[in-house]
Amino acid sequence: EAGVTQFPSHSVIEKGQTVTLRCDPISGHDNLYWYRRVMGKEIKFLLHFVKESKQDESGMPNNRFLAERTGGTYSTLKVQPAELEDSGVYFCASSQGSSPLHFGNGTRLTVT
Amino acid sequence: AQSVAQPEDQVNVAEGNPLTVKCTYSVSGNPYLFWYVQYPNRGLQFLLKYITGDNLVKGSYGFEAEFNKSQTSFHLKKPSALVSDSALYFCAVRDTLSYNTDKLIFGTGTRLQVFP
Repeated sequence: EAGVTQFPSHSVIEKGQTVTLRCDPISGHDNLYWYRRVMGKEIKFLLHFVKESKQDESGMPNNRFLAERTGGTYSTLKVQPAELEDSGVYFCASSQGSSPLHFGNGTRLTVT
Repeated sequence: AQSVAQPEDQVNVAEGNPLTVKCTYSVSGNPYLFWYVQYPNRGLQFLLKYITGDNLVKGSYGFEAEFNKSQTSFHLKKPSALVSDSALYFCAVRDTLSYNTDKLIFGTGTRLQVFP
């Protein structure tokens, strides 16, 4: 079984630019989550999809962040325009039923 | 407010010695507690969880954790550390104020360094 895959693994962009992160969950997993860890702090919840529907986006920091999940498969998280405080590691995770969350390796985003 | 505290940024232990990584929590209602591990350049891997039942929970790689309700703690333990256990460990609790069973509140992480 392939795990949760995230692209790119690293991204370095300048303040004001746009970046799109992608997550491919484990096949068959309806639940998809985005979490973020900023500068050695705690990992924080961003949002949750069930299939293609956003169920909970209470953790999204502001309207510069836009998440989509096309056809209930892969998901993208776009940051536009990026700010310095957006730097961190963005984790995607998926689950099905009562299984624990399966996390991807994360995308390390650096905004300069 | 619901929260998880990992009071130690780093824990150092010699190989073969027992290890403990501390975690305390604050949550409304009954806690669902988790430990995850992150190896270098990898994602978070599930180690173990406490939902209900025995206070001592056994997980992957020989790790176990003890739930202590009176102390609101869920410390991670292993009787004999291996160098390969060196990694970043995260404690988490389910957000009980959310319908969402996978909405977790994480601690800041503890780096475990096991020396040969």
